[in-house]
Amino acid sequence: DIRMTQSPSSLSAFVGDRVTITCRASQGISDYLAWYQQKPGKIPKLLIYAASALQSGVPSRFSGSGSGTDFTLTISSLQPEDVATYYCQKYNIVPLTFGGGTKVEIK
Amino acid sequence: EVQLAQSGAEVKKPGESLKISCKASGFSFTSYWIGWVRQMPGKGLEWIGIIYPPDSDTRYSPAFQGQVTISVDKSISTAYLQWSSLKASDSAMYYCARRGVGSAGWFDPWGQGTLVTVSS
Repeated sequence: DIRMTQSPSSLSAFVGDRVTITCRASQGISDYLAWYQQKPGKIPKLLIYAASALQSGVPSRFSGSGSGTDFTLTISSLQPEDVATYYCQKYNIVPLTFGGGTKVEIK
Repeated sequence: EVQLAQSGAEVKKPGESLKISCKASGFSFTSYWIGWVRQMPGKGLEWIGIIYPPDSDTRYSPAFQGQVTISVDKSISTAYLQWSSLKASDSAMYYCARRGVGSAGWFDPWGQGTLVTVSS
């Protein structure tokens, strides 16, 4: 089965900083990659699908890129409301594995 | 509005059985897969399995195969996740989510979650 590895597992940055989270698949998955945001005590929310397509209603400071095995989620200017854990997920074929998550905090 | 409404929190004893539900509204239940995801306290998201309501085609994560059963009742647009004999390690939040067909296989939206606590 394909493994999904996120890095870092946590990060702390200043408001306004550019933040980048990486997700690596152990085998190629084309662009069948989604990113989710889970704020503390809340349900997961879809941010990005097809590696780079922004879900409706998601702020434009979020962007995704990559294809094959290496993917990134970028927050261009970190805001206090972006404090959350972010997960990647492959969805081409089962198992629909999630990455381990990246916890984003404000310095 | 597209919604998935999950059943309420459960407190059970080890060895008991349990069936939790996920009722869909605002979309054609038979045009999407429904998935289940576990989140243990303070931990990440784990994919349990998915079911396709038109024919009940079900796929499980190897980690959950044989541990849980996913089912569906098309007549009431509801999916289920059930255990025949709960363990303390089944204590977690469980989410259902809608999954698109074909290349649109991401999870959106998600249900509000069902907290399952298993304790003697």
